[in-house]
Amino acid sequence: DIQMTQSPSSLSASVGDRVTITCRASQSISSYLNWYQQKPGKAPKLLIYAASSLQSGVPSRFSGSGSGTDFTLTISSLQPEDFATYYCQQSYSTLEAFGQGTKLEIK
Amino acid sequence: EVQLVESGGGLVKPGGSLRLSCAASGFTFSSYSMNWVRQAPGKGLEWVSSISSSSSYIYYADSVKGRFTISRDNAKNSLYLQMNSLRAEDTAVYYCARDQGKNIVATSDYWGQGTLVTVSS
Repeated sequence: DIQMTQSPSSLSASVGDRVTITCRASQSISSYLNWYQQKPGKAPKLLIYAASSLQSGVPSRFSGSGSGTDFTLTISSLQPEDFATYYCQQSYSTLEAFGQGTKLEIK
Repeated sequence: EVQLVESGGGLVKPGGSLRLSCAASGFTFSSYSMNWVRQAPGKGLEWVSSISSSSSYIYYADSVKGRFTISRDNAKNSLYLQMNSLRAEDTAVYYCARDQGKNIVATSDYWGQGTLVTVSS
């Protein structure tokens, strides 16, 4: 099975900061990588699919990059509504696997 | 507007059974694969099961294989998860999610609000 590892597990940042979250796969998954945002008590929301494609309606300050085993999610200028938990997920295998999550908190 | 509404959660004793339902609207249900994803209290997301648009392809996580059964009724725009032999570790919020593809592409673009399943004596 493919294992997904995110870093860091938690992150403190300020409004306006540029933030990068990393996701590493245990084997090559080409560009089959998605990013989700989840706020407390809410369902996850798809932000990025296929490593770098922005889901409809998602602000352009979110971007994704990478291929193979190493991927990043970047938020160019943090907004108050961006403080949440972020998950990567591989879509290379039908046995889907999520990363453990990165909690983004206000500094 | 795409809407997914889960129901059927609740408190069940270990070894018991529960059937979750997900009512879909706002899109052509029969054209999309569907997924179940769960989240234990305070924990991360765990994929549970996927079913293709015509039910031709079905997949389960190892943790639920042999105990859970995913199914769908395209005439009723509904997705189901039959859960048997429930264990304490199955306690979680269960989300129904639409897959991006007719065949499973393992990308959930719309999610329901979730239904809580608690397994406890």
